[in-house]
Amino acid sequence: AQTVTQSQPEMSVQEAETVTLSCTYDTSESDYYLFWYKQPPSRQMILVIRQEAYKQQNATENRFSVNFQKAAKSFSLKISDSQLGDAAMYFCAYRSGAGGGADGLTFGKGTHLIIQP
Amino acid sequence: NAGVTQTPKFQVLKTGQSMTLQCAQDMNHEYMSWYRQDPGMGLRLIHYSVGAGITDQGEVPNGYNVSRSTTEDFPLRLLSAAPSQTSVYFCASSSRAGSGQPQHFGDGTRLSIL
Repeated sequence: AQTVTQSQPEMSVQEAETVTLSCTYDTSESDYYLFWYKQPPSRQMILVIRQEAYKQQNATENRFSVNFQKAAKSFSLKISDSQLGDAAMYFCAYRSGAGGGADGLTFGKGTHLIIQP
Repeated sequence: NAGVTQTPKFQVLKTGQSMTLQCAQDMNHEYMSWYRQDPGMGLRLIHYSVGAGITDQGEVPNGYNVSRSTTEDFPLRLLSAAPSQTSVYFCASSSRAGSGQPQHFGDGTRLSIL
C-alpha cells in the first residue's frame, strides 16, 4: 500500500514571500499521479496542481510550482508571492495510474499554512 | 455546472440511527468515491465505484454501505450510527480510475453522532 507523509503540521510565511511545503511518498509502482489540494476554512477541496510521474518536467500553475524528485519520492509545493488567500490546509495526495487508481487517492495528513500580513 | 452535489451539509444523529448521505454528479463521471476526514488526518477512502452496478471497499469501510444504480448517484448509508463515525464526509468523482484526472469534490457533509 502507498503512504504519503507531510512532515510539517504547520508553516508560517510573511505575505509576498515564498514558502515550500514538503511531501514524501512510498510506492513500488512506476505509473502514478501526484496532487496538491488546498482546503480553506470553507472546507472545499480545491485542486492546486497535478504531476504525472512519467513527466520529468515539474508542473507549474501561476504562483504554484512543484519540485518532483522521482528517485527520492519527494513532491514539494512552492508558493511564490504568498497572498492572504493562500491561507489553508494543504494536502498532498497520490493516485495509482493505469491498471490501478480504482482505490482512489491516498492523502497525507496535511500542512496548515498561515500567512502573516 | 453543479459538479458534485452533497446533501445534507450538516446532520446530527443519535447513536443507533441510520441515515443516507446523498451524492450526485452531473459530469458523466464513471468513478465516484466517498472519503471521511477526521481532525489531524487526511481524507481516508470509505467506498468507491468504477461504474454503475460496481462498488468496492476502501480503507475504512466498516459501518457503511453503498450502491450505484445510476452513473449520477452514489449514496452512502450509515446502518447504525456510532460516535466514532462523527466526521466530515466528502464525495468525489473523476472521469475514470487510472486516468490521472483529478477528482472533483463535493462541499462535504459534517456529521455528528451523539
